[in-house]
Amino acid sequence: GDSVTQMEGPVTLSEEAFLTINCTYTATGYPSLFWYVQYPGEGLQLLLKATKADDKGSNKGFEATYRKETTSFHLEKGSVQVSDSAVYFCALSPSNDYKLSFGAGTTVTVRA
Amino acid sequence: DAGITQSPRHKVTETGTPVTLRCHQTENHRYMYWYRQDPGHGLRLIHYSYGVKDTDKGEVSDGYSVSRSKTEDFLLTLESATSSQTSVYFCAISAQGINEKLFFGSGTQLSVL
Repeated sequence: GDSVTQMEGPVTLSEEAFLTINCTYTATGYPSLFWYVQYPGEGLQLLLKATKADDKGSNKGFEATYRKETTSFHLEKGSVQVSDSAVYFCALSPSNDYKLSFGAGTTVTVRA
Repeated sequence: DAGITQSPRHKVTETGTPVTLRCHQTENHRYMYWYRQDPGHGLRLIHYSYGVKDTDKGEVSDGYSVSRSKTEDFLLTLESATSSQTSVYFCAISAQGINEKLFFGSGTQLSVL
């Protein structure tokens, strides 16, 4: 079935460092791809999304590009802040389905 | 923030007892979902609803049932709780399906002893 695989954490960075979280997917057809973020003690929030190949989603300094040739949707941020400490989830929605499949999540800790 | 309320926020129960978790929304969204979150597994879909009285199974539905008698309420029932159902449960809603933004509740921490 359709699924996503994201890099395992935890990831610990210093403030202003560059962050990359890898996400690859397996799917038939043309899925939509998402990154969700979960701050401590809260539910998930949509960070960004892309619905077709070569689309770039961006929000709060984060970016991810839908790469069909490499089946990837890696999340990047050029300069992280302490407030970016959270768990990040890559997710996929098949093209003809109501359901969203999540990766296992990557815990990111940013130190001052 | 979307109006989603999960209750209870925390519950401790014993193996074999029935448990019902409630998700209440004030957004009039059509789609509602129940997920469980476990370390190493991310979020896994239990059941979802695409309208009043219209529900379907997700990938980990065994041992769970749901009901949606009103647009605003989506109930998740563990008929006979087991320790493997100890988890954090999240409700989510969406206006137009999965390709639109999902709004999540704050979660229910359930411990089955």
